[in-house]
Amino acid sequence: GAGVSQSPSNKVTEKGKDVELRCDPISGHTALYWYRQSLGQGLEFLIYFQGNSAPDKSGLPSDRFSAERTGGSVSTLTIQRTQQEDSAVYLCASSLIILAGGSTDTQYFGPGTRLTVL
Amino acid sequence: EDKVVQSPLSLVVHEGDTVTLNCSYEVTNFRSLLWYKQEKKAPTFLFMLTSSGIEKKSGRLSSILDKKELSSILNITATQTGDSAIYLCAVEPRYGGATNKLIFGTGTLLAVQP
Repeated sequence: GAGVSQSPSNKVTEKGKDVELRCDPISGHTALYWYRQSLGQGLEFLIYFQGNSAPDKSGLPSDRFSAERTGGSVSTLTIQRTQQEDSAVYLCASSLIILAGGSTDTQYFGPGTRLTVL
Repeated sequence: EDKVVQSPLSLVVHEGDTVTLNCSYEVTNFRSLLWYKQEKKAPTFLFMLTSSGIEKKSGRLSSILDKKELSSILNITATQTGDSAIYLCAVEPRYGGATNKLIFGTGTLLAVQP
């Protein structure tokens, strides 16, 4: 596809249930990022993938959160035993990394998944 | 701790007005500053700034970085109702050689009234 896609667009779940959010980055983008935006808050970094590895997991708020990426493409963010404070919009972004010289490239965002935990 | 602060938090203007949004930052090692426009869920990219004093323009929008003052401004001239959105400023710290996470401010909510 032309842009980053995420699914589902909306998810309503009950407290204590597990949820899985999916991100499909732009084809060829090697870097993938997960962010969370709670009501009235700025975007909060969760985790970053370079290829299939995650060198920076510092933003994951608790051990109930995990993420994986396979084949250097699709990523899933899993939240176990959801709590009401997990309610937020979860945004995924991808960027094309130019390895030589470590040049920065713009992060392009997907449409997000709005998670509501009842 | 790295942080990004935006001001004002919100702004209401009338069509045709010019607005200036501010972003200041504190990061250990600076790589770049980015501006995004967020209307619904997904932020859309506006500008990336890496060099001080060089203005970037796109239509009625322009932005400039001041590394000495650790700040950036986003200007919108002749505002239109379609400019109503949250404008997010983000800074990318330099960690090693590869792109890393962005640190976002809380955004400025701009409302343009007809």
